[in-house]
Amino acid sequence: GENVEQHPSTLSVQEGDSAVIKCTYSDSASNYFPWYKQELGKRPQLIIDIRSNVGEKKDQRIAVTLNKTAKHFSLHITETQPEDSAVYFCAATPYGGSQGNLIFGKGTKLSVKP
Amino acid sequence: GAVVSQHPSRVICKSGTSVKIECRSLDFQATTMFWYRQFPKQSLMLMATSNEGSKATYEQGVEKDKFLINHASLTLSTLTVTSAHPEDSSFYICSASGANEQFFGPGTRLTVL
Repeated sequence: GENVEQHPSTLSVQEGDSAVIKCTYSDSASNYFPWYKQELGKRPQLIIDIRSNVGEKKDQRIAVTLNKTAKHFSLHITETQPEDSAVYFCAATPYGGSQGNLIFGKGTKLSVKP
Repeated sequence: GAVVSQHPSRVICKSGTSVKIECRSLDFQATTMFWYRQFPKQSLMLMATSNEGSKATYEQGVEKDKFLINHASLTLSTLTVTSAHPEDSSFYICSASGANEQFFGPGTRLTVL
């Protein structure tokens, strides 16, 4: 089955710096790659997603890149702010696109220091 | 975005009792819902896929007789943890498939004493 690896597990940056989180997946059939932000005790919130027919997607300070050949995708956050501090999870769906079951990475705890 | 609710948000029970958790899609119909479990400081682990009108599909290592799932309507899926034990204490989160993304419920914190 699908396996998603996520690095780093923790990331600390200064306010205003950029943060990059990387994930790899194993199943070449996976075609939908969302990123979630989760604050302590709360539900995951979708922040950006990308489908396998696109190589890059950007939404204001957040961007995601996908390399299908290498089977990895990355989250880029620019001009980080203290409110960006949270745990971020990548995920992949081996089938069914955005309606399929999500296989999550282990998460990255991002700390943005003011 | 679409709204998914869960009830209860928090439950404390004695070891050996059963606990039912409800997951509802409030403003859309969901033929497929998913149940995840999240232990402290860990990731979300998929437990099962709940399909309306049919049996749930369980992930490897998840006991179907212990975690009973019923998806009786297009807006409601329930997870029953039977004969709960302290090791079942966790954060249980459901999600429902929309047209372009999945929507997560707020989660249920289960504590088994």
